[in-house]
Amino acid sequence: SSELTQDPAVSVALGQTVRITCQGDSLRSYHTSWYQQRPGQAPLLVIYANNNRPSGIPDRFSGSTSANTASLTITGAQAEDEADYYCNSQDISGNFRIFGTGTKVTVL
Amino acid sequence: QVQLQQWGAGLLKPSETLSLTCAVNGGSFNNYYWIWVRQPPGKGLEWIGEINHSGRTNYNPSLKSRVTISAGTSRNQFSLNLISVTAADTAVYYCASSTGDSEFWGQGTLVTVSS
Repeated sequence: SSELTQDPAVSVALGQTVRITCQGDSLRSYHTSWYQQRPGQAPLLVIYANNNRPSGIPDRFSGSTSANTASLTITGAQAEDEADYYCNSQDISGNFRIFGTGTKVTVL
Repeated sequence: QVQLQQWGAGLLKPSETLSLTCAVNGGSFNNYYWIWVRQPPGKGLEWIGEINHSGRTNYNPSLKSRVTISAGTSRNQFSLNLISVTAADTAVYYCASSTGDSEFWGQGTLVTVSS
């Protein structure tokens, strides 16, 4: 299918670790990127090519992939990490990109 | 540092054409590909399409019959045209530039389609 499915919402205690997952058949073949979007702001790339951080992104953000599932892990979550997170990859044909359904992360 | 500034009409009537332009300051067109993404109010992100430095475009199949992304003649601007808009096209529209390992985004433009 050409869908990327994410859990709608997760919560994490301040300073603890949270993992966000993204499932889709195309993830077996194509790289995944992850975006953070705070309310009222444009998306921010936090992971590209499965497990790489752009310059300026804290190292508490990490990515991984296995079979049809990509994961974004925040190790030692901070209050400012409270946001919506979207995965992004190619559709199964490889002809265009698609976003996941999004996960709202709440830091308690 | 690359900065993107976008503009265009924010209120359209059904059947009109949405036109947005994104100006790129501080970047080289040759190294990037240029993207449009939209987000309906309260909903998730939708990838619209992209254009690369050689003018090659890719579009979301769900919009392909109505959308055109083009590069400006000055080569520091690119544009989005979406014809025959309906209320379902109401969204915040973002432009972005990407090299794969770095990205820069515009501030977003709310486009409302209403009669």
